[in-house]
Amino acid sequence: QQQVKQSPQSLIVQKGGISIINCAYENTAFDYFPWYQQFPGKGPALLIAIRPDVSEKKEGRFTISFNKSAKQFSLHIMDSQPGDSATYFCAAIRNNQGGKLIFGQGTELSVKP
Amino acid sequence: DAGVIQSPRHEVTEMGQEVTLRCKPISGHNSLFWYRQTMMRGLELLIYFNNNVPIDDSGMPEDRFSAKMPNASFSTLKIQPSEPRDSAVYFCASSPGSSGNTIYFGEGSWLTVV
Repeated sequence: QQQVKQSPQSLIVQKGGISIINCAYENTAFDYFPWYQQFPGKGPALLIAIRPDVSEKKEGRFTISFNKSAKQFSLHIMDSQPGDSATYFCAAIRNNQGGKLIFGQGTELSVKP
Repeated sequence: DAGVIQSPRHEVTEMGQEVTLRCKPISGHNSLFWYRQTMMRGLELLIYFNNNVPIDDSGMPEDRFSAKMPNASFSTLKIQPSEPRDSAVYFCASSPGSSGNTIYFGEGSWLTVV
């Protein structure tokens, strides 16, 4: 069953705009929430990650907002650039389950010049 | 530094043939993972190893799939016999710790079974 639900499936944003991708999870045992970025023909690459003891984490133009009570987290890309066009995956993992990342279905982001 | 290295990058094979995908993890990483990516099912974990030992293979679809890690620098994923529904991108990934919090993916092996 789908334990991490991601939306939207696709997103078109103008250059300079804000891209927002949302994820919701079910299992309260998850304790690490990474976001991966995947370009066509490449493997996913870790972009930014957060633990549930903080509500926000920012790295450059990328920010994760985390709402533990709602079991939701989101990725915000500020000042979106055409080079940000890629597929973004949220994921969740229980620390004691090794590499068993549970991925969302992915969001295909297109940033128009 | 070299990342996770996978081979072949692309493979087209006929149904019923054996397929072997290979992976060299990042040196010093002690966890290795095999993921499969399809449009329908997204990214799925097939199996992961810690210190060369298979820890969780619950994602392996069926007995036609097998994975081995004979040493810390090499792993294989074998499909025998292959079927058209096995067509997917297979990613190998590695992590420096058993918690797997930072997982580094290879560029994938694109498999087409006709």
